[in-house]
Order: sequence, then structure tokens, then C-alpha cells
Amino acid sequence: AQSVTQLDSQVPVFEEAPVELRCNYSSSVSVYLFWYVQYPNQGLQLLLKYLSGSTLVKGINGFEAEFNKSQTSFHLRKPSVHISDTAEYFCAVPNTGFQKLVFGTGTRLLVSP
Amino acid sequence: DSGVTQTPKHLITATGQRVTLRCSPRSGDLSVYWYQQSLDQGLQFLIQYYNGEERAKGNILERFSAQQFPDLHSELNLSSLELGDSALYFCASSLGRGAYNEQFFGPGTRLTVL
Repeated sequence: AQSVTQLDSQVPVFEEAPVELRCNYSSSVSVYLFWYVQYPNQGLQLLLKYLSGSTLVKGINGFEAEFNKSQTSFHLRKPSVHISDTAEYFCAVPNTGFQKLVFGTGTRLLVSP
Repeated sequence: DSGVTQTPKHLITATGQRVTLRCSPRSGDLSVYWYQQSLDQGLQFLIQYYNGEERAKGNILERFSAQQFPDLHSELNLSSLELGDSALYFCASSLGRGAYNEQFFGPGTRLTVL
């Protein structure tokens, strides 16, 4: 069964520092991967997605992620974070029948001045 | 603004009661997904409808039911409510039926069962 593992429940970082949020996936079929962000008291918003093609995917708000098949990873990165990036970040993968998204447990990014 | 609307935003009710949550998808989207988000369970898929028909079921309790109407809006009915049903309930919509399509999430309904 498809699954994603987000190893870090919380990542504290200072403003303007780089950040990497880790996601490892398990999938027996074609891989589609997503990163969603949830700002406080809001719904989820798509940051970026990997469907095929280039392994480096660029998303909104300066985020990017790299699909690594050999390491079954899809880590999210940003070279310089802002206070406004404080949010919960979810990695997700469709299940075998592409009927639903399976979400990771989320990583809370805390950006402080 | 994702274009997905959910009402009500907040709902406070008592155990044993029944509530209905409403979702209007983005214009043109045919799929509606319902998710439950709680601190202990995380984000859990409940059910998906595509163009009026149920397409997939997840961890949805028998006390919960949903439907998608001809105008494509959807309702999630929760009955015989228990304290543990307190959670954020999200609706998401997408154009196609497969979960590889981008899903657009509504702002959620926060349900508190007292």
C-alpha cells in the first residue's frame, strides 16, 4: 500500500535560514507526489506536485522538492524562509487505485526572528 | 481563496445529536472529497464522490454518510455524535476522478461535540 513518512514532527528555524522538510514514500505503482501547506486556521493548499519528468519540482512561495527514486524520497526545500512560512506541511501520495490521497503526519515549520 | 466553500465554519453540538456539513466545489470540478483532521488521527480520508456517484470510501464510520447532489454540492451527515467526533472536517474538490489531480481544499468546518 502507498504511504508517506514525514520523519520530523516539528522543525524550528530562524528567519532567512534554509530549511528541508523530509518525506519518504512507499509506492508499488507509478509515483505521484504532493506537498500541501496548511496555514493556521486555514485549509490545505497545494505547494507543488511531481507527476513525471524533471525530478526537481518548483512550487509556489519559493519552495522546491526533489524526487529521488533510489532513496524513495521527496524532500521539500526552501533556501531562505520567512516568518510567514510558519505552517504545517503535508506530504501526500495517491493510493493504489488513485481513489484518495494518503497524507503523512505533517511537519510543523516554526520560523522565528 | 481556493473556490471551495464550506458551511458552517464552526459547529458546537451535544453528544447524540446529528449535524450536516455542506460543501460547494470549485466551478467545473466534478470530484468532492471529505477529510477529517484531528490531533490524534491526523488527516484521514472519509469519502469521495465523482459526478454524483460514490467513488471511494475511507475511514468513514457507519454513523456518517454523505451525498453529492445534481448541482455537485455535497453534504456530510454525522449522527449519534460522540465526543471523539470533534475535529476539523475538510472538503476538497478536483476536476477529474483520480487522486493524482490537484485537490482544492475548503476552509473547513470545526465541529465541537460537548
